[in-house]
Amino acid sequence: KQEVTQIPAALSVPEGENLVLNCSFTDSAIYNLQWFRQDPGKGLTSLLLIQSSQREQTSGRLNASLDKSSGRSTLYIAASQPGDSATYLCALGADGLTFGKGTHLIIQP
Amino acid sequence: KAGVTQTPRYLIKTRGQQVTLSCSPISGHRSVSWYQQTPGQGLQFLFEYFSETQRNKGNFPGRFSGRQFSNSRSEMNVSTLELGDSALYLCASSLESRTEETQYFGPGTRLLVL
Repeated sequence: KQEVTQIPAALSVPEGENLVLNCSFTDSAIYNLQWFRQDPGKGLTSLLLIQSSQREQTSGRLNASLDKSSGRSTLYIAASQPGDSATYLCALGADGLTFGKGTHLIIQP
Repeated sequence: KAGVTQTPRYLIKTRGQQVTLSCSPISGHRSVSWYQQTPGQGLQFLFEYFSETQRNKGNFPGRFSGRQFSNSRSEMNVSTLELGDSALYLCASSLESRTEETQYFGPGTRLLVL
């Protein structure tokens, strides 16, 4: 059974800092890995999708990497802004998405 | 292009009742998945429908069921509601393939069971 762990569970940093969110998983038999953000009381917004055969994806200030051999993914956020405050979730795609519990991120103005 | 829509947005039911939630996917999307989100368990996969057929199912009791219509709209039903069924229920849609595509999530239906 796939287990997904996200570290840290919560993070508070001042505006402008670069930061890294971590995701680890136990089963490398995946189709893809997705990073989402969730704002309070809202649904999920897809940020990046990395196919199983890929190593990283970039979108604007976001960069996500995937290392299947070590069972790890990282989400790098450059020059953080208060609008980046949200819960960030990684999800492994196989038969349905398996989610981590998320990292609750607060960017202090 | 309109996003994924879910109705109703909020629902209050009592134990023992049943409930039906509705999800309309993005136009052209044929796959619809359902997830339950609770503070304790996080997001958990319920089931996925594609072309009116259940393609995958998570580890939930038989009280949770779903269906998909020919226009790809989907409904999920929970019978004999329990207090623990209180949750945010999210649906997500994608074109066809699970291996290459992003899933797009709706805003969710928040269910409270009293």
